[in-house]
Amino acid sequence: DAMVIQNPRYQVTQFGKPVTLSCSQTLNHNVMYWYQQKSSQAPKLLFHYYDKDFNNEADTPDNFQSRRPNTSFCFLDIRSPGLGDAAMYLCATSRDVIRSSAAYEQYFGPGTRLTVT
Amino acid sequence: EDKVVQSPLSLVVHEGDTVTLNCSYEVTNFRSLLWYKQEKKAPTFLFMLTSSGIEKKSGRLSSILDKKELSSILNITATQTGDSAIYLCAVDNGAGSYQLTFGKGTKLSVIP
Repeated sequence: DAMVIQNPRYQVTQFGKPVTLSCSQTLNHNVMYWYQQKSSQAPKLLFHYYDKDFNNEADTPDNFQSRRPNTSFCFLDIRSPGLGDAAMYLCATSRDVIRSSAAYEQYFGPGTRLTVT
Repeated sequence: EDKVVQSPLSLVVHEGDTVTLNCSYEVTNFRSLLWYKQEKKAPTFLFMLTSSGIEKKSGRLSSILDKKELSSILNITATQTGDSAIYLCAVDNGAGSYQLTFGKGTKLSVIP
């Protein structure tokens, strides 16, 4: 089945120790997103890729970086995790909305729960 | 600033009850409204609504959009314990960016 896969599902890292979360998709979607979701809060968009074109949200801290080496994979790098970065990180994909006249929906991976000790 | 507000924030019902969840929005360019169900993992897609007054239905769940009132409701009839989840409403602002603006969700608990 076509899907969005995130690894690992649970990640524990130490304060200040770099960590990388990965996302892959078999949907062949052009657009990939990273969201941060803290407890009892709405998912917050960090950035998205339209193909290789990277789009950072204005309030995403510099501590968060991303890479998309090809259509299928996208990585979230947290350079120096702080305690406040503990959250669920959600990867999502969607179709190319510009060429499609229809509104789109986003397909989410299962998420990676990050704990910072 | 685009805003999506859901109510109530949490709800406890008994199995068999019918519930109505509300979502209202203020966005600059509306394209669609989406409902997701989130259990102990990532959100799963339920409905996408683009036109006012047309009900979308899937089993015991249904949803409708009112563009005049800038709102949507999600109905669940004959609730079951498996319906316990957080229900998220999101609006696609369609402004050339790809951001969905999410509400904080309604936490539904269905007790036997």
